[in-house]
Amino acid sequence: DGGITQSPKYLFRKEGQNVTLSCEQNLNHDAMYWYRQDPGQGLRLIYYSQIVNDFQKGDIAEGYSVSREKKESFPLTVTSAQKNPTAFYLCASSIERGQGYSNQPQHFGDGTRLSIL
Amino acid sequence: DAKTTQPPSMDCAEGRAANLPCNHSTISGNEYVYWYRQIHSQGPQYIIHGLKNNETNEMASLIITEDRKSSTLILPHATLRDTAVYYCIVRPWGYSSASKIIFGSGTRLSIRP
Repeated sequence: DGGITQSPKYLFRKEGQNVTLSCEQNLNHDAMYWYRQDPGQGLRLIYYSQIVNDFQKGDIAEGYSVSREKKESFPLTVTSAQKNPTAFYLCASSIERGQGYSNQPQHFGDGTRLSIL
Repeated sequence: DAKTTQPPSMDCAEGRAANLPCNHSTISGNEYVYWYRQIHSQGPQYIIHGLKNNETNEMASLIITEDRKSSTLILPHATLRDTAVYYCIVRPWGYSSASKIIFGSGTRLSIRP
C-alpha cells in the first residue's frame, strides 16, 4: 500500500543530544513537510521541500535541520539547540504540479512522539 | 494564524448525520477549503476539499455557501470511529510558497452510542 512511514513511533532524547526522525513516502509525491504539534494545539510548520535537494524554513525552524537527497525521504534532525523538543512530530507529503500550482491535499504519516529524558 | 473559526466541540448520535460548521469570512478567491480529522495520537487524515461547488466523496460531503464565507462538513451516518478532532483549513493555490497547512483548534466531535 502507498503511504507515508514515520519512524520510530516513540523517541527519547538526552540533554545535548541530536536525534533524527525518519520520514519515507512511496506515493511519488514531490513535496514533503514537517510539522510539530503540541498538546491541545494545531500544527506548526518546521520545514518543507518541494523538490529534491531544495527545502525552505517554515515558521519554527530554529533548532531543526533537514535534508532532501532523495524524493522518497525527508529526515528531520532535532538538534541540541532546540530547547523544548518534546512534541508530536508529523511528516506529510503532497503532489506538486509544475510551477508550484497545486490544490492537492497533504497526506500525513502517523507521527513520532519525542520526549526528553 | 488560522483563517477559520470552528466550534470547539460537538456531539452527535450514532447513525445520524454530523454537520460540522466552519466560518472563513476572509477567504480569498484563490483559496480552497480543506477538511482533515485527527484521531488521538495519529496523523491527520484528509477528508475532502472544494473551491466553490459542493463536493462529495466516500467519506463526507462538503457544502460551501454561495458567498464562500462558510462551509459545512457532513458525515452522513456517523459511527463511533468518527470520533476525532476535525479541522477546517483554507489554503491558496497557484502560490508556490503557500504549501503549508495552518491548523486551528478544530472541533472535537464526539459520537454517542
